Amino acid sequence: GAVVSQHPSWVICKSGTSVKIECRSLDFQATTMFWYRQFPKQSLMLMATSNEGSKATYEQGVEKDKFLINHASLTLSTLTVTSAHPEDSSFYICSARGIETQYFGPGTRLLVL
Amino acid sequence: ILNVEQSPQSLHVQEGDSTNFTCSFPSSNFYALHWYRWETAKSPEALFVMTLNGDEKKKGRISATLNTKEGYSYLYIKGSQPEDSATYLCALATGGGNKLTFGTGTQLKVEL
Repeated sequence: GAVVSQHPSWVICKSGTSVKIECRSLDFQATTMFWYRQFPKQSLMLMATSNEGSKATYEQGVEKDKFLINHASLTLSTLTVTSAHPEDSSFYICSARGIETQYFGPGTRLLVL
Repeated sequence: ILNVEQSPQSLHVQEGDSTNFTCSFPSSNFYALHWYRWETAKSPEALFVMTLNGDEKKKGRISATLNTKEGYSYLYIKGSQPEDSATYLCALATGGGNKLTFGTGTQLKVEL
C-alpha cells in the first residue's frame, strides 16, 4: 500500500517552454501533497505544500508564478514549471501525506536546454 | 533555516559487516524524525518515524535510536547485505509534522 507515482520520470525541453509533472497517490487519498527539488549534491528541499481544493503554500524563495501547483482531486497534484530556463534543471519529487509519514514518488529529472 | 546533518557522507562495507550512521538536528521545535531508504531510480522508502526521546525502533536487521535532548539519531544495520546498498536519508519534521527538512544522506555500498 501507499504507492505514489510520478510522471514523467524524465523530461528534456527547450528554454521558454512549460513542463507539467503529475503526482498521483495510487491506493490512498491524499489531502496534502508536497513538492521537493534536489540540486546535485544537495538535500531534498521543500518547494511547496499542496492542499486539495485550495491554494498551495510556497516556501520562501520559491516563485509561485513560476511553479504552478494544482491539487484538483484527492489523488492528483500537478506541478507546472512555466517558461523553464536552464537554471530550473533539477530533480523534482513529490510526496503524499499518509497517517504517520510522507510517501514519495520516484521523481522527475528535468533538463532545460 | 534548519540544519540537518548526516555522517558519514558515504560508506563502503563488506557483506556481513554491521554499520551505523548519524543524523544530527537542532532539538528546538522538534516534532518527529524520519528515516528513509532511497535506492537509485526508485521512490524513497519510509523506514521509521521517531517521536519520543529514547525511542528505539527495529525493522528486520535495521534499527534506529533517538535522542531529542542532544539532537541526534543513529541508524544501525546488522549484518549488511548487498541489497542494503542505498542512500539513507533522515528528515526532521517541524511545523506540526508537515514540514520535512532533509539531510544530504549517507550513501551505503555493501560489497561481496
